[in-house]
Amino acid sequence: AIRMTQSPSSLSASTGDRVTISCRTSQDISTYLAWFQQKPGKAPKLLIYAASTLQSGVPSRFSGSGSGTDFTLTISGLQSEDFATYYCQHYYSYPRTFGQGTKVEIK
Amino acid sequence: QVQLVQSGAEVKKPGASVKVSCKASGYIFNSYGMNWVRQAPGQGLEWMGWISGYNGHPDYAQSLQDRVIMTIDTSTSTAYMELRSLTFDDTAVYYCARGPRSLPADVWGQGTLVTVSS
Repeated sequence: AIRMTQSPSSLSASTGDRVTISCRTSQDISTYLAWFQQKPGKAPKLLIYAASTLQSGVPSRFSGSGSGTDFTLTISGLQSEDFATYYCQHYYSYPRTFGQGTKVEIK
Repeated sequence: QVQLVQSGAEVKKPGASVKVSCKASGYIFNSYGMNWVRQAPGQGLEWMGWISGYNGHPDYAQSLQDRVIMTIDTSTSTAYMELRSLTFDDTAVYYCARGPRSLPADVWGQGTLVTVSS
């Protein structure tokens, strides 16, 4: 199974900050990577797929980059509604493992 | 609109089985598959498996393949996930999430809390 290493596990930031979250895979997955946002008590929400394609309706302050084994989610200009936990997931093969999550908290 | 509505919360004893349903609406059911993902309290997301909405062929996470059965009923556009031989570690919120084989899950159900308690 492909291992996902997400970092950091948590971070504190202020509204307006630029935030970057890293996701590393144990083998080359091309761009078969997605990012999800989850708020407490809610189902995850798809933000980005194919490493850099924004899901319909997702604000443009979210962006993704990377290919192969190294990927990044960037939030440019953090908003209050962005405080949540973020997960990466590959869909290159089965099992489709998730990263362990990054909790973005208010500083 | 596309919607997935899951069955209600369950409380089960260790060793029992649970079956969670996920009724889809707003799209052509057999054009997409269905992922099942679970989340233990305070923990991250665990992918359990995927089932084709076209032919019902499943792919299971190796860690669960001996205990999980995923099925579909195309006549009612409903997917099912049954987990057998429950242990306390199976206490979690279980989500169904629509997704074709080649893309990630884009629509999620509201989640079903399964509590395993003696």
